[in-house]
Amino acid sequence: EAQVTQNPRYLITVTGKKLTVTCSQNMNHEYMSWYRQDPGLGLRQIYYSMNVEVTDKGDVPEGYKVSRKEKRNFPLILESPSPNQTSLYFCASSRFSGRVGETQYFGPGTRLLVL
Amino acid sequence: QKEVEQNSGPLSVPEGAIASLNCTYSDRVSQSFFWYRQYSGKSPELIMSIYSNGDKEDGRFTAQLNKASQYVSLLIRDSQPSDSATYLCAAERFQGAQKLVFGQGTRLTINP
Repeated sequence: EAQVTQNPRYLITVTGKKLTVTCSQNMNHEYMSWYRQDPGLGLRQIYYSMNVEVTDKGDVPEGYKVSRKEKRNFPLILESPSPNQTSLYFCASSRFSGRVGETQYFGPGTRLLVL
Repeated sequence: QKEVEQNSGPLSVPEGAIASLNCTYSDRVSQSFFWYRQYSGKSPELIMSIYSNGDKEDGRFTAQLNKASQYVSLLIRDSQPSDSATYLCAAERFQGAQKLVFGQGTRLTINP
């Protein structure tokens, strides 16, 4: 089944404890992206990747890191989480990076609580 | 001014009626527009995409785009309780790579 998977789905952690949220897609998609969703603010892009080893900042990249060593995986790293990073996180992918109008497919989401 | 604006609702519509969801955008460079449906606690799923001025129909859903007015809408005919969800409007800004800018979403409730 074609899908985007994320792990973990739920995570409670404490301030300053490094964590990684994994994202994987099995559709051979070039483009991958991370979003956070907060009430009243909608979905905001954190980072995106156009292909292996090509990543760039989105609108809210502070406090996050990403890497794209393999085409299928795009982990999101919080080196020192803070309470303002408590949010619902979505990974998404689309087939081609350089084409207008590509549909983005979303993972199931990761709900993160930072105490 | 937000780049993509939606009325957050809630919008309440009786079953069988037409639900009308609206979205405005500020960046005239935006070329493509998407409507995603998101059930509570779930991920967004694509309902419709539209790239050209005019109407695009798919089953009970019709997307309308007016680039001169910078306005996108989604009509849902014969609304069903299963249509109750939050609807997200997204504008595509393409600068070497696709970037989707989302509105805050409109919560729609269909009343039986």
